[in-house]
Amino acid sequence: DGGITQSPKYLFRKEGQNVTLSCEQNLNHDAMYWYRQDPGQGLRLIYYSQIVNDFQKGDIAEGYSVSREKKESFPLTVTSAQKNPTAFYLCASSVQGGWRTDTQYFGPGTRLTVL
Amino acid sequence: RKEVEQDPGPFNVPEGATVAFNCTYSNSASQSFFWYRQDCRKEPKLLMSVYSSGNEDGRFTAQLNRASQYISLLIRDSKLSDSATYLCVVNYESGSARQLTFGSGTQLTVLP
Repeated sequence: DGGITQSPKYLFRKEGQNVTLSCEQNLNHDAMYWYRQDPGQGLRLIYYSQIVNDFQKGDIAEGYSVSREKKESFPLTVTSAQKNPTAFYLCASSVQGGWRTDTQYFGPGTRLTVL
Repeated sequence: RKEVEQDPGPFNVPEGATVAFNCTYSNSASQSFFWYRQDCRKEPKLLMSVYSSGNEDGRFTAQLNRASQYISLLIRDSKLSDSATYLCVVNYESGSARQLTFGSGTQLTVLP
């Protein structure tokens, strides 16, 4: 059963703590993306990766870090430097992320709440 | 000015009605256009791509006007299950990659 999985679905964090959100895909997609969504707003791109061992900052990368050691996995770390981390985090993947933008498929998301 | 602008709604329509959503984009170099549907507290899912000639998928029709930088989505014979937020999505070029820019969505509620 192919798809994108994210875990956990809900995450609570104390201020000052780093936390890592998991994203895994078995679609054999080259490109993966992380977005955050705040109430009443569109998705904003945090980081993206077009290929293993390479990733690029998106529009709001400050306070976040990522790694892409395996094609299937693109974990996102929300660090204590992120001023307002409470949001809905969405991971996506596409066949390729180069010249032609393919359709992006989304995981079910992780809701992060900072207490 | 936002790169992709949508009327946030909410649009409340009776079952069976026809409803249209509009979206404008600011980057004239944009090449690909999409409508995504997002149910409450769920992830966005692709509804349809938008092609220059306009395209139809069942009750849904999407149109693109490049000159006016405008995209539309028409839903005919609306069903209760159409209730969702509809996101207008446009690509843009950033460095070596093309990325997607999302509008903030238009909320639709279909009433019985």
